[in-house]
Amino acid sequence: KQEVTQIPAALSVPEGENLVLNCSFTDSAIYNLQWFRQDPGKGLTSLLLIQSSQREQTSGRLNASLDKSSGRSTLYIAASQPGDSATYLCAVASGSARQLTFGSGTQLTVLP
Amino acid sequence: GAVVSQHPSRVICKSGTSVKIECRSLDFQATTMFWYRQFPKKSLMLMATSNEGSKATYEQGVEKDKFLINHASLTLSTLTVTSAHPEDSSFYICSAADRGLAYEQYFGPGTRLTVT
Repeated sequence: KQEVTQIPAALSVPEGENLVLNCSFTDSAIYNLQWFRQDPGKGLTSLLLIQSSQREQTSGRLNASLDKSSGRSTLYIAASQPGDSATYLCAVASGSARQLTFGSGTQLTVLP
Repeated sequence: GAVVSQHPSRVICKSGTSVKIECRSLDFQATTMFWYRQFPKKSLMLMATSNEGSKATYEQGVEKDKFLINHASLTLSTLTVTSAHPEDSSFYICSAADRGLAYEQYFGPGTRLTVT
């Protein structure tokens, strides 16, 4: 059974700092890995999707990497801003129906 | 493109009543739809996977008679919470996927259910 772990559970940084969020998964037989953002009481916003054949994806200040063999992914956020404050979720797609298994999230607070 | 809607966004009901939540893919046909549940400050837990025209596949521990899922068309899936109890209060999120979109899941905005 796929298990996804995110470290740290919470992170507080001053504005402008670069930061890295970590995600690990137990079964390397995945189709893709996604990073999402969730604001309190809201739904999910997809940030980046990395296919299993890819090593990284970039969008603006965000860069996500994938090392499938070691079961790890990182989300790098450059020059953090208070508006980046949210919970970041990592999810991997595996299984016959490509079900998503989510990590427990990292709650990020960027202090002005 | 690839927009998924959910209705209602928020619902309050009394114990013992049933509540239906709709999930629609607005601009694509979804062969597969997923239903998730999220407890406060917790991550999303997959409840069931449904394919158009067939019975849903429920995850272990999810009561299929309590959480009725219908995927009658390629753009609509419904989740009915039957005989709701306060412990069913939660945030329910659906997603939709299709082979033509490389099976990427697109998420609805969620439904906040409160059972009093």
